[in-house]
Amino acid sequence: AQSVTQLDSHVSVSEGTPVLLRCNYSSSYSPSLFWYVQHPNKGLQLLLKYTSAATLVKGINGFEAEFKKSETSFHLTKPSAHMSDAAEYFCVVSDNSWGKLQFGAGTQVVVTP
Amino acid sequence: DADVTQTPRNRITKTGKRIMLECSQTKGHDRMYWYRQDPGLGLRLIYYSFDVKDINKGEISDGYSVSRQAQAKFSLSLESAIPNQTALYFCATGSRGVRTETQYFGPGTRLLVL
Repeated sequence: AQSVTQLDSHVSVSEGTPVLLRCNYSSSYSPSLFWYVQHPNKGLQLLLKYTSAATLVKGINGFEAEFKKSETSFHLTKPSAHMSDAAEYFCVVSDNSWGKLQFGAGTQVVVTP
Repeated sequence: DADVTQTPRNRITKTGKRIMLECSQTKGHDRMYWYRQDPGLGLRLIYYSFDVKDINKGEISDGYSVSRQAQAKFSLSLESAIPNQTALYFCATGSRGVRTETQYFGPGTRLLVL
């Protein structure tokens, strides 16, 4: 069985300050992990993914995430928030047996000027 | 052009009506998926298809049916719509890599059942 917990339902940051979105997972297997972003009235866009290679994963738009097996975490960070980062972010786990994904509930990010 | 397209983008219907949501893809992927999104619940899997002749139920398939007309087309039907099927529906395709599969999502269909 697998599950994902996004620890914050809402995060508010000022433009130019760091962003941290927290994600903890549970999986019976050696999982793959993903972060997707959903801008208003848009579909889900893949930000980055971890598939057992380097534990620090770099994605698009300056985002990165670190896989920490001992903490069962996959937190998403960005050094400096931009107004265009305002969106909902989903942490997703896959057990790799097939394409089954388990989505977190999402974190809504608000960026203030 | 978008790789995964969904039609319609918005739909309002009445309780008891049959409706169909359509999905097309140009990514050449064999695997396709239908999800629904509800606030605070993330996305949940309705149906999935690994190829034209392989269709499987997901975790919340009751009240839904699907048709895989071709590798590139996967339709979702609500046989008799009810208000709690009001949601945002996403189609996705899957690309199998060495170790895992990456899914690519369409723009979504917003459905309101009155």
